[in-house]
Amino acid sequence: DQQVKQNSPSLSVQEGRISILNCDYTNSMFDYFLWYKKYPAEGPTFLISISSIKDKNEDGRFTVFLNKSAKHLSLHIVPSQPGDSAVYFCAASAWNYGGSQGNLIFGKGTKLSVKP
Amino acid sequence: DADVTQTPRNRITKTGKRIMLECSQTKGHDRMYWYRQDPGLGLRLIYYSFDVKDINKGEISDGYSVSRQAQAKFSLSLESAIPNQTALYFCATSGNGFLTKNIQYFGAGTRLSVL
Repeated sequence: DQQVKQNSPSLSVQEGRISILNCDYTNSMFDYFLWYKKYPAEGPTFLISISSIKDKNEDGRFTVFLNKSAKHLSLHIVPSQPGDSAVYFCAASAWNYGGSQGNLIFGKGTKLSVKP
Repeated sequence: DADVTQTPRNRITKTGKRIMLECSQTKGHDRMYWYRQDPGLGLRLIYYSFDVKDINKGEISDGYSVSRQAQAKFSLSLESAIPNQTALYFCATSGNGFLTKNIQYFGAGTRLSVL
């Protein structure tokens, strides 16, 4: 059963507009969340993260929001640029959950296309 | 030069062959990981190692083995490759510190095809 879900396989946005990528999780023990970006023929690269003690983290054009009661997080990219076109993976870890040792659980990814 | 280097980048092999994928890192991290990515399935953990003497199975370890030859080197072996092991394989590392342990850094990947 998927513990981290990205229900939108793809998203298309116009350059300059906001991109919103969504992620849902089922395990209430997750206490750290990350977003990775992946270009073709490259490995995933870390983008931004958030601890469960926060509800928002911002880094330049990228903001991650966490809603623990809804078990939902989202990544906002404002403004979107063509170079943001990539696959975005949501990941979660649970350091205080027995046996997991903080390993990352990944969603299936959302392919973002930003059109000029 | 890349901090996490995977070799080879591409490999085609035949069913039943033994194959080794290698990973080396210059980040000085203790923790290393092997993942596979299949279309539409995200990344799934195969094995992980928190130091040279510590090896652990991940979600999908059947059919795979690993060796941690040194802090900087972590190799993945397919003892007898089968077609459903055709996938993109990634190595990753993370630190031990309170702030660094949460973030994993990935290599560029190895595309493996088993015919």
